[in-house]
Amino acid sequence: KNEVEQSPQNLTAQEGEFITINCSYSVGISALHWLQQHPGGGIVSLFMLSSGKKKHGRLIATINIQEKHSSLHITASHPRDSAVYICAVLWRGFGNEKLTFGTGTRLTIIP
Amino acid sequence: NAGVTQTPKFQVLKTGQSMTLQCAQDMNHEYMSWYRQDPGMGLRLIHYSVGAGITDQGEVPNGYNVSRSTTEDFPLRLLSAAPSQTSVYFCASSPRTSGAVHNEQFFGPGTRLTVL
Repeated sequence: KNEVEQSPQNLTAQEGEFITINCSYSVGISALHWLQQHPGGGIVSLFMLSSGKKKHGRLIATINIQEKHSSLHITASHPRDSAVYICAVLWRGFGNEKLTFGTGTRLTIIP
Repeated sequence: NAGVTQTPKFQVLKTGQSMTLQCAQDMNHEYMSWYRQDPGMGLRLIHYSVGAGITDQGEVPNGYNVSRSTTEDFPLRLLSAAPSQTSVYFCASSPRTSGAVHNEQFFGPGTRLTVL
Protein backbone atom coordinates (compact mmCIF):
# COMPACT_ATOMS: atom_id res chain seq x y z
CA LYS A 1 0.00 0.00 0.00
CA ASN A 2 1.33 3.46 -0.86
CA GLU A 3 1.95 5.33 2.37
CA VAL A 4 2.69 8.80 3.64
CA GLU A 5 4.28 9.32 7.04
CA GLN A 6 4.77 12.54 8.93
CA SER A 7 6.95 13.34 11.91
CA PRO A 8 6.68 14.45 14.57
CA GLN A 9 3.00 13.89 15.36
CA ASN A 10 3.05 16.71 17.89
CA LEU A 11 5.47 19.58 18.29
CA THR A 12 5.51 22.31 20.93
CA ALA A 13 8.00 25.16 20.65
CA GLN A 14 8.66 28.63 21.98
CA GLU A 15 7.89 31.67 19.91
CA GLY A 16 10.81 32.52 17.63
CA GLU A 17 12.11 28.97 17.25
CA PHE A 18 12.92 27.41 13.89
CA ILE A 19 10.43 24.62 13.13
CA THR A 20 10.90 21.57 10.90
CA ILE A 21 8.15 19.11 9.98
CA ASN A 22 8.97 16.04 7.94
CA CYS A 23 7.07 13.96 5.40
CA SER A 24 8.23 10.71 3.80
CA TYR A 25 6.48 8.53 1.27
CA SER A 26 6.86 5.04 -0.06
CA VAL A 27 6.95 5.19 -3.87
CA GLY A 28 7.39 7.65 -6.70
CA ILE A 29 5.20 10.72 -6.75
CA SER A 30 4.31 13.45 -9.21
CA ALA A 31 3.98 16.22 -6.65
CA LEU A 32 3.48 16.91 -2.96
CA HIS A 33 1.19 19.35 -1.17
CA TRP A 34 1.70 20.99 2.20
CA LEU A 35 -1.57 22.04 3.83
CA GLN A 36 -2.45 23.93 7.00
CA GLN A 37 -5.51 23.16 9.11
CA HIS A 38 -6.40 25.76 11.73
CA PRO A 39 -8.19 24.97 14.99
CA GLY A 40 -11.44 26.11 13.37
CA GLY A 41 -11.03 23.21 10.94
CA GLY A 42 -10.51 24.94 7.59
CA ILE A 43 -7.77 23.58 5.32
CA VAL A 44 -5.65 25.81 3.13
CA SER A 45 -2.96 24.93 0.65
CA LEU A 46 0.49 26.27 1.55
CA PHE A 47 2.69 24.78 -1.15
CA MET A 48 2.68 22.35 -4.00
CA LEU A 49 6.06 21.18 -5.22
CA SER A 50 7.56 18.48 -7.37
CA SER A 51 11.24 19.37 -6.99
CA GLY A 52 13.60 21.69 -5.16
CA LYS A 53 12.40 24.34 -2.80
CA LYS A 54 9.67 26.96 -2.44
CA LYS A 55 9.44 29.90 -0.05
CA HIS A 56 6.51 32.02 1.01
CA GLY A 57 7.13 34.51 3.78
CA ARG A 58 8.47 32.61 6.80
CA LEU A 59 7.55 29.23 5.33
CA ILE A 60 9.95 27.12 3.28
CA ALA A 61 9.18 23.75 1.71
CA THR A 62 11.78 21.41 0.27
CA ILE A 63 11.54 18.08 -1.45
CA ASN A 64 14.13 15.40 -2.26
CA ILE A 65 12.62 13.11 -4.86
CA GLN A 66 15.44 10.53 -4.68
CA GLU A 67 15.12 10.18 -0.90
CA LYS A 68 11.28 10.34 -1.04
CA HIS A 69 11.23 13.04 1.60
CA SER A 70 9.93 16.57 2.06
CA SER A 71 10.29 19.10 4.86
CA LEU A 72 8.32 22.15 5.87
CA HIS A 73 10.27 24.80 7.77
CA ILE A 74 8.92 27.78 9.67
CA THR A 75 11.36 30.53 10.59
CA ALA A 76 10.77 32.92 13.52
CA SER A 77 7.71 30.93 14.62
CA HIS A 78 4.72 32.80 16.06
CA PRO A 79 1.69 31.66 18.07
CA ARG A 80 -0.50 32.24 15.01
CA ASP A 81 1.45 29.42 13.30
CA SER A 82 -0.20 26.99 15.72
CA ALA A 83 -2.13 24.58 13.52
CA VAL A 84 -2.04 21.08 12.09
CA TYR A 85 0.26 20.75 9.09
CA ILE A 86 -0.56 18.04 6.60
CA CYS A 87 1.39 16.68 3.67
CA ALA A 88 -0.38 15.00 0.77
CA VAL A 89 1.09 13.30 -2.26
CA LEU A 90 0.02 12.72 -5.84
CA TRP A 91 1.19 9.26 -6.80
CA ARG A 92 2.83 9.08 -10.18
CA GLY A 93 0.19 8.70 -12.86
CA PHE A 94 -2.57 10.41 -10.90
CA GLY A 95 -3.67 13.98 -10.39
CA ASN A 96 -5.30 15.96 -7.62
CA GLU A 97 -8.34 13.73 -7.80
CA LYS A 98 -6.45 11.05 -5.86
CA LEU A 99 -4.34 12.58 -3.12
CA THR A 100 -3.03 10.48 -0.22
CA PHE A 101 -2.66 12.35 3.04
CA GLY A 102 -0.40 12.03 6.04
CA THR A 103 -1.95 12.10 9.49
CA GLY A 104 -0.69 15.59 10.22
CA THR A 105 1.67 17.31 12.67
CA ARG A 106 0.05 19.35 15.42
CA LEU A 107 2.21 22.42 16.05
CA THR A 108 1.79 24.58 19.14
CA ILE A 109 3.83 27.76 19.50
CA ILE A 110 3.99 29.14 23.03
CA PRO A 111 4.38 32.92 23.46
CA ASN B 1 -15.54 34.26 -5.75
CA ALA B 2 -16.96 32.27 -2.87
CA GLY B 3 -14.50 29.41 -3.54
CA VAL B 4 -15.71 26.01 -2.29
CA THR B 5 -18.84 26.09 -0.15
CA GLN B 6 -20.34 23.28 1.90
CA THR B 7 -23.67 22.96 3.65
CA PRO B 8 -24.58 22.24 6.32
CA LYS B 9 -21.74 23.03 8.72
CA PHE B 10 -23.10 20.67 11.37
CA GLN B 11 -25.58 17.81 11.20
CA VAL B 12 -26.84 15.19 13.62
CA LEU B 13 -28.56 12.12 12.20
CA LYS B 14 -30.10 9.01 13.64
CA THR B 15 -28.95 5.61 12.43
CA GLY B 16 -30.73 4.71 9.22
CA GLN B 17 -31.56 8.24 8.15
CA SER B 18 -30.40 9.52 4.78
CA MET B 19 -29.12 12.95 3.87
CA THR B 20 -27.15 14.88 1.29
CA LEU B 21 -24.08 16.99 1.98
CA GLN B 22 -23.88 19.83 -0.49
CA CYS B 23 -20.70 21.08 -2.16
CA ALA B 24 -20.40 23.83 -4.73
CA GLN B 25 -17.52 25.72 -6.31
CA ASP B 26 -17.52 28.81 -8.49
CA MET B 27 -14.02 28.51 -9.94
CA ASN B 28 -14.96 26.33 -12.93
CA HIS B 29 -12.74 23.51 -11.63
CA GLU B 30 -12.97 20.15 -13.35
CA TYR B 31 -11.77 18.07 -10.40
CA MET B 32 -13.88 17.70 -7.26
CA SER B 33 -13.41 15.28 -4.38
CA TRP B 34 -15.00 14.27 -1.10
CA TYR B 35 -12.85 13.33 1.89
CA ARG B 36 -13.59 12.27 5.43
CA GLN B 37 -11.34 13.15 8.35
CA ASP B 38 -11.28 10.96 11.45
CA PRO B 39 -9.15 11.36 14.59
CA GLY B 40 -5.67 9.92 14.19
CA MET B 41 -6.10 9.30 10.48
CA GLY B 42 -5.28 11.29 7.40
CA LEU B 43 -8.02 12.53 5.16
CA ARG B 44 -9.40 9.65 3.15
CA LEU B 45 -10.92 9.91 -0.30
CA ILE B 46 -14.56 8.84 -0.57
CA HIS B 47 -15.49 9.68 -4.17
CA TYR B 48 -14.11 11.97 -6.80
CA SER B 49 -15.04 13.46 -10.16
CA VAL B 50 -12.87 14.63 -13.03
CA GLY B 51 -15.71 16.44 -14.79
CA ALA B 52 -19.47 16.75 -15.15
CA GLY B 53 -21.03 13.33 -15.62
CA ILE B 54 -17.88 11.46 -14.50
CA THR B 55 -17.47 10.06 -10.99
CA ASP B 56 -15.39 7.29 -9.46
CA GLN B 57 -14.81 5.63 -6.12
CA GLY B 58 -12.00 6.50 -3.77
CA GLU B 59 -10.58 4.63 -0.82
CA VAL B 60 -13.72 4.47 1.38
CA PRO B 61 -16.82 4.67 -0.85
CA ASN B 62 -19.15 2.24 0.92
CA GLY B 63 -22.36 3.85 2.19
CA TYR B 64 -21.98 6.95 0.03
CA ASN B 65 -23.22 8.00 -3.41
CA VAL B 66 -22.25 10.96 -5.56
CA SER B 67 -23.32 12.55 -8.81
CA ARG B 68 -21.92 15.40 -10.89
CA SER B 69 -24.61 16.83 -13.13
CA THR B 70 -22.93 20.24 -13.38
CA THR B 71 -19.34 21.49 -13.11
CA GLU B 72 -20.27 23.52 -10.03
CA ASP B 73 -22.00 20.98 -7.78
CA PHE B 74 -20.87 17.68 -6.28
CA PRO B 75 -23.31 16.43 -3.62
CA LEU B 76 -22.51 13.50 -1.34
CA ARG B 77 -25.41 11.27 -0.32
CA LEU B 78 -25.48 9.09 2.75
CA LEU B 79 -27.93 6.33 1.94
CA SER B 80 -28.54 4.90 5.42
CA ALA B 81 -26.44 6.63 8.05
CA ALA B 82 -24.39 4.53 10.47
CA PRO B 83 -22.41 5.58 13.57
CA SER B 84 -19.21 4.68 11.66
CA GLN B 85 -19.96 7.59 9.34
CA THR B 86 -19.54 10.08 12.18
CA SER B 87 -16.75 12.25 10.84
CA VAL B 88 -15.80 15.61 9.40
CA TYR B 89 -16.38 15.75 5.65
CA PHE B 90 -14.42 17.99 3.32
CA CYS B 91 -15.11 18.77 -0.29
CA ALA B 92 -12.24 19.97 -2.48
CA SER B 93 -11.77 21.16 -6.02
CA SER B 94 -8.91 21.92 -8.38
CA PRO B 95 -8.28 22.60 -12.04
CA ARG B 96 -7.58 19.64 -14.27
CA THR B 97 -4.06 18.25 -14.19
CA SER B 98 -2.41 18.99 -17.51
CA GLY B 99 0.58 16.82 -18.32
CA ALA B 100 3.17 17.46 -15.66
CA VAL B 101 1.37 20.55 -14.38
CA HIS B 102 -0.39 19.94 -11.10
CA ASN B 103 -2.52 22.54 -9.40
CA GLU B 104 -3.37 23.75 -5.95
CA GLN B 105 -6.36 22.12 -4.32
CA PHE B 106 -9.06 24.25 -2.68
CA PHE B 107 -11.00 22.93 0.30
CA GLY B 108 -14.43 23.73 1.61
CA PRO B 109 -14.93 24.59 5.32
CA GLY B 110 -16.11 21.09 6.20
CA THR B 111 -19.29 19.49 7.55
CA ARG B 112 -19.22 17.91 10.99
CA LEU B 113 -21.59 14.94 10.96
CA THR B 114 -22.66 12.94 13.99
CA VAL B 115 -24.67 9.75 13.60
CA LEU B 116 -26.37 8.53 16.77
